[in-house]
Amino acid sequence: NAGVTQTPKFRILKIGQSMTLQCTQDMNHNYMYWYRQDPGMGLKLIYYSVGAGITDKGEVPNGYNVSRSTTEDFPLRLELAAPSQTSVYFCASRASDSQNTEAFFGQGTRLTVV
Amino acid sequence: AQSVTQLGSHVSVSEGALVLLRCNYSSSVPPYLFWYVQYPNQGLQLLLKYTSAATLVKGINGFEAEFKKSETSFHLTKPSAHMSDAAEYFCAVTSSGYSTLTFGKGTMLLVSP
Repeated sequence: NAGVTQTPKFRILKIGQSMTLQCTQDMNHNYMYWYRQDPGMGLKLIYYSVGAGITDKGEVPNGYNVSRSTTEDFPLRLELAAPSQTSVYFCASRASDSQNTEAFFGQGTRLTVV
Repeated sequence: AQSVTQLGSHVSVSEGALVLLRCNYSSSVPPYLFWYVQYPNQGLQLLLKYTSAATLVKGINGFEAEFKKSETSFHLTKPSAHMSDAAEYFCAVTSSGYSTLTFGKGTMLLVSP
């Protein structure tokens, strides 16, 4: 039962470098999300997707990009890493937008930008 | 936009004591609410969800929550805390026409022996 898988688990980036956080799910869920978690701030939505080929901005999209070419994969791209992007990133998926459909989360990627 | 407010960033209880974690929502339409738990260095997992079928919702690990429309609340309780309950707890609500989940800032539950 893989569920939502994120790679890598940890990464240190230098300012200005770029990287892609990978997320894949094997539950055939249409909805996928990227959140960042900072201490005391809860989870903030970065981007989400309601299906392959469709993405939309969340609350804090600046500095990030996403794509959704398949149902399974939803990578998050950081083009020019900044210290403010130091955070823990979580990918999640949901089967649909029915009101009480829960989200399933990956284990997170801890990113440090120095 | 829908939102939830969690009162208290940290709650400390003794083992065996009642656990009460507070969540209030702001919504002009019926909200759909969730409680998630996050253990150290892990992702979030669902504790329970409000489905409108019943106002008292039972979840995993002995937790339950009561939906009170008059108080716009969905507080999480457990009659007797266990050391293994120490974790961070998040209340969440569906928003953006149910397309997304908006989370509260979280409450860290500390359990002392």
